[in-house]
Amino acid sequence: GAGVSQSPSNKVTEKGKDVELRCDPISGHTALYWYRQSLGQGLEFLIYFQGNSAPDKSGLPSDRFSAERTGGSVSTLTIQRTQQEDSAVYLCASSLETGSYEQYFGPGTRLTVT
Amino acid sequence: SQQGEEDPQALSIQEGENATMNCSYKTSINNLQWYRQNSGRGLVHLILIRSNEREKHSGRLRVTLDTSKKSSSLLITASRAADTASYFCAPKSGGSYIPTFGRGTSLIVHP
Repeated sequence: GAGVSQSPSNKVTEKGKDVELRCDPISGHTALYWYRQSLGQGLEFLIYFQGNSAPDKSGLPSDRFSAERTGGSVSTLTIQRTQQEDSAVYLCASSLETGSYEQYFGPGTRLTVT
Repeated sequence: SQQGEEDPQALSIQEGENATMNCSYKTSINNLQWYRQNSGRGLVHLILIRSNEREKHSGRLRVTLDTSKKSSSLLITASRAADTASYFCAPKSGGSYIPTFGRGTSLIVHP
């Protein structure tokens, strides 16, 4: 079956613009996660969803970041008024449920803020 | 949630040699997972080891877990150039719904 997909694969935007990143999880996976990976760094947890609910938003770096998930499926990560330090690869993952379940990662969206 | 710390940060070996990577963590865990990330791609799950397990195998991969030392190791035997990647451990604590990732070990296997 299809894996996790993300779009766009690459996004170049000007400082101050808003961007939307999309994640399509594996069908039937109730848990969805967003991570950020800067060059040469590890994965920074941003937010996760169980169904449409986001119990833990503590990883979002600032109030310019928000995310939603609708229909227990597609999720959108929105970054408002982008800054250069937002440049990174944004990775989405899904799993059957939260907890002790393998995460399946998408290929990521590479965001460059100029 | 807690973060795993991989060691070494970088490892360079010749094809055919074994590669060992270590992961340390701070608090009790339910399980620990290892992932691989090839250049420019997403992460791929390798192995999950539960807290009551000491060793697991998958092909050329062997993972050990020592809960008394709060550490895990990933051994890749008879390495291949295609094993070149970054390897991440992701421990998951009982009180957390999510595994968290460290900075990884960058492995280069020279043909």
